[in-house]
Amino acid sequence: SQTIHQWPATLVQPVGSPLSLECTVEGTSNPNLYWYRQAAGRGLQLLFYSVGIGQISSEVPQNLSASRPQDRQFILSSKKLLLSDSGFYLCAWTGGPYGYTFGSGTRLTVV
Amino acid sequence: QKEVEQNSGPLSVPEGAIASLNCTYSDRGSQSFFWYRQYSGKSPELIMSIYSNGDKEDGRFTAQLNKASQYVSLLIRDSQPSDSATYLCAVNPNRDDKIIFGKGTRLHILP
Repeated sequence: SQTIHQWPATLVQPVGSPLSLECTVEGTSNPNLYWYRQAAGRGLQLLFYSVGIGQISSEVPQNLSASRPQDRQFILSSKKLLLSDSGFYLCAWTGGPYGYTFGSGTRLTVV
Repeated sequence: QKEVEQNSGPLSVPEGAIASLNCTYSDRGSQSFFWYRQYSGKSPELIMSIYSNGDKEDGRFTAQLNKASQYVSLLIRDSQPSDSATYLCAVNPNRDDKIIFGKGTRLHILP
């Protein structure tokens, strides 16, 4: 069966520090991968999606970036965090026109 | 702009009653429809998917789709306190797998 792993679960980072969040999927190949952010009291905002290795599409221009170095690995990064980057970051995957399966999420607090 | 609209709630329902959650979407050509449940502090969990007009039942959950009215609903029968959560409606407007999420309806089941 397919599983999705996301870490860390929580993170507290100072303003201006770098960020790296990692997501991996097991039990499938060539998944579509997504990064979402959910700010407090707000909906899910699609940040990036990828349909294959090295293929990244950005939905919202900001100081975040994403990379997909391997088929089942998706990384979200920032060189310098802003206070507004705080939120609940969710990785998701799908293998077709079906619903997404989400990882357990990373709660990021920028202080 | 493609949108998915939900009443934010909170919707309060007595234990044992039927909870009715509603959602409208803007893109008439949408193909796939999903309901997610999100407990506080947790990631969304897919609970129902529906692709054709009519009703789809799974245990205590029934999803209803009316493409002519661009309307999706979720009924929860015999509501339990464990059903208290935020319910996200999600729509795939076409077959490119990019799902659009509503902002969710908070459901509170009163013991």
